[in-house]
Amino acid sequence: GAVVSQHPSWVICKSGTSVKIECRSLDFQATTMFWYRQFPKQSLMLMATSNEGSKATYEQGVEKDKFLINHASLTLSTLTVTSAHPEDSSFYICSARQLTSGDSYEQYFGPGTRLTVT
Amino acid sequence: GQNIDQPTEMTATEGAIVQINCTYQTSGFNGLFWYQQHAGEAPTFLSYNVLDGLEEKGRFSSFLSRSKGYSYLLLKELQMKDSASYLCAAMDSNYQLIWGAGTKLIIKP
Repeated sequence: GAVVSQHPSWVICKSGTSVKIECRSLDFQATTMFWYRQFPKQSLMLMATSNEGSKATYEQGVEKDKFLINHASLTLSTLTVTSAHPEDSSFYICSARQLTSGDSYEQYFGPGTRLTVT
Repeated sequence: GQNIDQPTEMTATEGAIVQINCTYQTSGFNGLFWYQQHAGEAPTFLSYNVLDGLEEKGRFSSFLSRSKGYSYLLLKELQMKDSASYLCAAMDSNYQLIWGAGTKLIIKP
């Protein structure tokens, strides 16, 4: 149980275009979803936290107008990278927290999306 | 401020035991997680500690001392497939995870 999927798994786009990444919890309801970015050989960097039905909370330094997050249902959150530039090329990973997770508040990670902007 | 410290890289031999340490400073504390991440893949959950002591799960064990702000992950009977990065993350009072930079573990035959 507790499977999270991401789509697409990899994408190449041209500079200036927008890319949408989907994150789905397949067998549980997620009240909270998290979006991370990871550059090569670096740790995870939290970009934003989204709760179903409300606006996402962005971390300091993350442009909310550039990285649009929508958490429309308890099983789906989307991240749209608008007007992508080469420096946005990275590994984007989502995670989800169960509606009722007991005491652990464990986050379940999706497989990640590798974005390359040319 | 909030901070997680763990070694950048460690090397161990196949079949041996290795201990990866992690110290943390957070605003409030709601538990400590260890994740394993293979190159190019997303992290996978290994363990969660919220009470002091040792939690054993097969070849992997995790220890927590809340008073010292310290945890370690112990890997026994190392296998080549254990070569990965190991991420320590502490959950603060807002239930947000504060991530360490990860420890790259290299296993040699």
